[in-house]
Amino acid sequence: ETGVTQTPRHLVMGMTNKKSLKCEQHLGHNAMYWYKQSAKKPLELMFVYNFKEQTENNSVPSRFSPECPNSSHLFLHLHTLQPEDSALYLCASSQDPRSPGQGPYYYGYTFGSGTRLTVV
Amino acid sequence: AQKITQTQPGMFVQEKEAVTLDCTYDTSDQSYGLFWYKQPSSGEMIFLIYQGSYDEQNATEGRYSLNFQKARKSANLVISASQLGDSAMYFCAMRGVGAGGTSYGKLTFGQGTILTVHP
Repeated sequence: ETGVTQTPRHLVMGMTNKKSLKCEQHLGHNAMYWYKQSAKKPLELMFVYNFKEQTENNSVPSRFSPECPNSSHLFLHLHTLQPEDSALYLCASSQDPRSPGQGPYYYGYTFGSGTRLTVV
Repeated sequence: AQKITQTQPGMFVQEKEAVTLDCTYDTSDQSYGLFWYKQPSSGEMIFLIYQGSYDEQNATEGRYSLNFQKARKSANLVISASQLGDSAMYFCAMRGVGAGGTSYGKLTFGQGTILTVHP
């Protein structure tokens, strides 16, 4: 496989369930991201991992728990979600320089196809 | 801080005609990159075109071109000879240098423009 793969593509879960979203990139990138895209809202960056270390958590509720076991895999563990958490969850990766501030501006992100999550 | 503004929530174009999607940006970085992505109804974000802040020529990729006006801080996407398959949401995005420390400079997105191509 090539690019960024997200599974599952669709997920329906109850508010008391526990589920996980998986993202895998086959590009050799060293940074991975989770985004949330709700209807009629801009893309929201949730988490950033650089070289397997979490470098950003944008005030995301604790019911969302990321995990990055290696630079190719990223998970988003979900538990006790709310209906307003229903959204498209996008994973992305990029190749960043080893030192921040050295200008990663020319590295765009490669996105997966997303997981459409519905919380009932 | 970076900000991307797309002022056109929706645009309509006739098949085979050209269309321009507007994008303005604000940043204090001297070096930055500008990107356009296409998001069909399937959800995947597809990279279309990139423009570096120091690039003197406007970027082109097939039917896509980026009208880069640095002084005006605008990076409009031009799609020539529109096709029905171009109907999608289009996002303008930019990425700067980052503040150092652990900041690598995030990709900042605009609100998006929904393009509808009519036959």
